[in-house]
Amino acid sequence: QAGLTQPPSVSKGLRQTATLTCIGSSNNVGNQGAAWLQQLQGHPPKLLSYRNYSRPSGISERFSASRSGNTASLTLTGLQPEDEADYYCSAWDSSLSAWVFGGGTKLTVL
Amino acid sequence: QVQLVQSGAEVKKPGASVKVSCKASGYTFTDYYMHWVRQAPGQGLEWLGWISPNNGSTTYAQKFQGRVTMTRDTSINTAYMELNLRSDDTAVYYCARESESFDYWGQGTLVTVSS
Repeated sequence: QAGLTQPPSVSKGLRQTATLTCIGSSNNVGNQGAAWLQQLQGHPPKLLSYRNYSRPSGISERFSASRSGNTASLTLTGLQPEDEADYYCSAWDSSLSAWVFGGGTKLTVL
Repeated sequence: QVQLVQSGAEVKKPGASVKVSCKASGYTFTDYYMHWVRQAPGQGLEWLGWISPNNGSTTYAQKFQGRVTMTRDTSINTAYMELNLRSDDTAVYYCARESESFDYWGQGTLVTVSS
């Protein structure tokens, strides 16, 4: 099934800002909104944001999400070593009647 | 606090089936859909489907229709995912609660398919 498109990797320096992107379509991101998940090595995913920009309680304000058209973005400010992880976007696809995920972006903090 | 605790790792042969459990606590089990998501080694996330613990209705991803069955037992707040296995089904299988996307996840269950 069709998924969402994410860059495989992004590298940024300590205390810098990284912006991760997720390209979908009008059937998913553009209509239903996107969520972002963080997966640390060896751990289950953790929800960072939902409905394009909302953050669950306990999630740092350093993580902010947005959407423009069919593209969702996750911005991480003040990068820390513990931010090194895989980041996935997800959305409900109304044409497939299925949840879809991006392939994930591996964030490296230099 | 919300917890989803899954059953332990399994090793199965192709053609066999596996049944993974997911015990929920810390919230009203019947109030939230439960999803199943898998992750093959070194790969991304793949959605298998969901079950409504309230009435048992299910929706499966097209790829897994005919091979996967999701059930629940409300008396013990547990959801189950049973999959008829092929050789390429080796993965970590997660249950995940849906509340504005997947807000809580189980710890994962490694299912290894090997002849």
